[in-house]
Amino acid sequence: LAKTTQPISMDSYEGQEVNITCSHNNIATNDYITWYQQFPSQGPRFIIQGYKTKVTNEVASLFIPADRKSSTLSLPRVSLSDTAVYYCLVGDNNAGNMLTFGGGTRLMVKP
Amino acid sequence: EAQVTQNPRYLITVTGKKLTVTCSQNMNHEYMSWYRQDPGLGLRQIYYSMNVEVTDKGDVPEGYKVSRKEKRNFPLILESPSPNQTSLYFCASKNRQGWREKLFFGSGTQLSVL
Repeated sequence: LAKTTQPISMDSYEGQEVNITCSHNNIATNDYITWYQQFPSQGPRFIIQGYKTKVTNEVASLFIPADRKSSTLSLPRVSLSDTAVYYCLVGDNNAGNMLTFGGGTRLMVKP
Repeated sequence: EAQVTQNPRYLITVTGKKLTVTCSQNMNHEYMSWYRQDPGLGLRQIYYSMNVEVTDKGDVPEGYKVSRKEKRNFPLILESPSPNQTSLYFCASKNRQGWREKLFFGSGTQLSVL
């Protein structure tokens, strides 16, 4: 499984765009990239998933460069309720262990 | 409503007293997994199951057992709990079909072993 590296924490203010980058230098051809959000004392929740280029949904955008060695989760116009831990995962659909979570990025949104 | 249900939400026990944390999903998912979460260590996988009667160790399986006799249930068993198993536990499930699949998590079980 590809190891991921994310910043431990980030601060932002309400209304700003937040970009969280994840490094996964040894990503394999079959690997896909998934981001989860976790609030205190709750289970992680799926945000977005992609394989290459750009993916956008109603919550976020995911940018993946051509070499796929990194990815960036973009949260537009964050609010206080976006304060959470964000996890980047890289995994292979066919790998038995599937998805291993790293330490995540703790995002603090301030008023 | 599609969901993963864990019980109990909170559990306090003493060293050596066997306990079971239940997990049930109503989405007909093949894959189920257990994680523990400790401060500063993120989520670590304990066991996972690819289907009924198929289970395998994750990153931290020592001191835990699981069983998968039915598709919807995946209980976590601590035969002889110890204080170092005090943690927040999460059960998760997902459909194996296709790479566009996501994990659904339960609300968690906060376990304290005295």
